[in-house]
Amino acid sequence: EAGVVQSPRYKIIEKKQPVAFWCNPISGHNTLYWYRQNLGQGPELLIRYENEEAVDDSQLPKDRFSAERLKGVDSTLKIQPAELGDSAVYLCASSAGSSPVVYGYTFGSGTRLTVV
Amino acid sequence: SQQGEEDPQALSIQEGENATMNCSYKTSINNLQWYRQNSGRGLVHLILIRSNEREKHSGRLRVTLDTSKKSSSLLITASRAADTASYFCAFIYNQGGKLIFGQGTELSVKP
Repeated sequence: EAGVVQSPRYKIIEKKQPVAFWCNPISGHNTLYWYRQNLGQGPELLIRYENEEAVDDSQLPKDRFSAERLKGVDSTLKIQPAELGDSAVYLCASSAGSSPVVYGYTFGSGTRLTVV
Repeated sequence: SQQGEEDPQALSIQEGENATMNCSYKTSINNLQWYRQNSGRGLVHLILIRSNEREKHSGRLRVTLDTSKKSSSLLITASRAADTASYFCAFIYNQGGKLIFGQGTELSVKP
């Protein structure tokens, strides 16, 4: 099993530029999560998908962030335009169901974004 | 912030010693989980303890949960250099299904 695959692993961009991250969850996992992890902090949820529907995007800064999960499989997270404060690791996770009580989360290795 | 609090923020021990990390949260939870993160990597699920459980073991890991104090601890016994990583608690509040992480404890085990 390949696990949750994220790309790119690293990205350095200038502020005001757009950037996109890609995530391919474990096959058959219908729930997908995007987390942001600032240096020295725990991850914070940005958005949760159940299949292709975003069921919790309350923490997503919608003025500059957008996400999509077409066909309910892989997902893309976009920032446009990027700001210096967006520098962080962006983690994708997936689970077989939406209840963390029953279904464990599997995390990808993350994309480390540096905005200069 | 809903984030949990962990202490210590950093812990340095010698191989063979035990390591204890603590986590506190704010309101009633459904369950509490511990994750490990090696530098530059994603998080790996270690163990889950439900709100009606008080203690759970998995190999060299021992987790306790005290719901009256709203706190949990993770004990790693007979630590190894390979245990060097950041450890995060994560929990789900009863009123929402979102997994919320603590700020992490950075463990360094010296050979």
